[in-house]
Amino acid sequence: DGGITQSPKYLFRKEGQNVTLSCEQNLNHDAMYWYRQDPGQGLRLIYYSQIVNDFQKGDIAEGYSVSREKKESFPLTVTSAQKNPTAFYLCASNFPGQGNEQFFGPGTRLTVL
Amino acid sequence: SQELEQSPQSLIVQEGKNLTINCTSSKTLYGLYWYKQKYGEGLIFLMMLQKGGEEKSHEKITAKLDEKKQQSSLHITASQPSHAGIYLCGALTGANNLFFGTGTRLTVIP
Repeated sequence: DGGITQSPKYLFRKEGQNVTLSCEQNLNHDAMYWYRQDPGQGLRLIYYSQIVNDFQKGDIAEGYSVSREKKESFPLTVTSAQKNPTAFYLCASNFPGQGNEQFFGPGTRLTVL
Repeated sequence: SQELEQSPQSLIVQEGKNLTINCTSSKTLYGLYWYKQKYGEGLIFLMMLQKGGEEKSHEKITAKLDEKKQQSSLHITASQPSHAGIYLCGALTGANNLFFGTGTRLTVIP
């Protein structure tokens, strides 16, 4: 089955630790995205990548880093510089261009203690 | 910067009732996407609108984009408990990304 997987579903970390969230897709999509969702604030774009080995900052990139070494993988690292990392993180992918909907993974809920 | 306001923020309806959710943009919309989200899960694509006056339907859900392309509405006919969730509108940006509204939480009472 084609789709996007995110792991783990729930993640707990101590304050000050970096943590990496996984996102893998087998849809052969060129573009991948990371969003953060907080209660009452909808989704906000963290980083996106339109092609392998290239990525751009979204609206709230501070305290996060990404890599895009393979087409199917777009891991997100939440660094200790992110002041309020507890949130629900969603990964998406699509073929870039107008009219092409983004397909979303199931999300990872990160809680920093 | 673009603003995308959804109303109402939350909605509670009796099963079988019709309802409408609105999405209003501060700028002209060049693509408007509707998604549904179950709490704690990913987003499911519903519909995408591009042309002024466009209307699309899927089962009991109809979405419209106004002529001026600054407002979209999502209408559910004869709501069912399966329609419950968070409805999000997303506007296509110049960089071909999506900018999302804050969402409308729908509860359907059996």
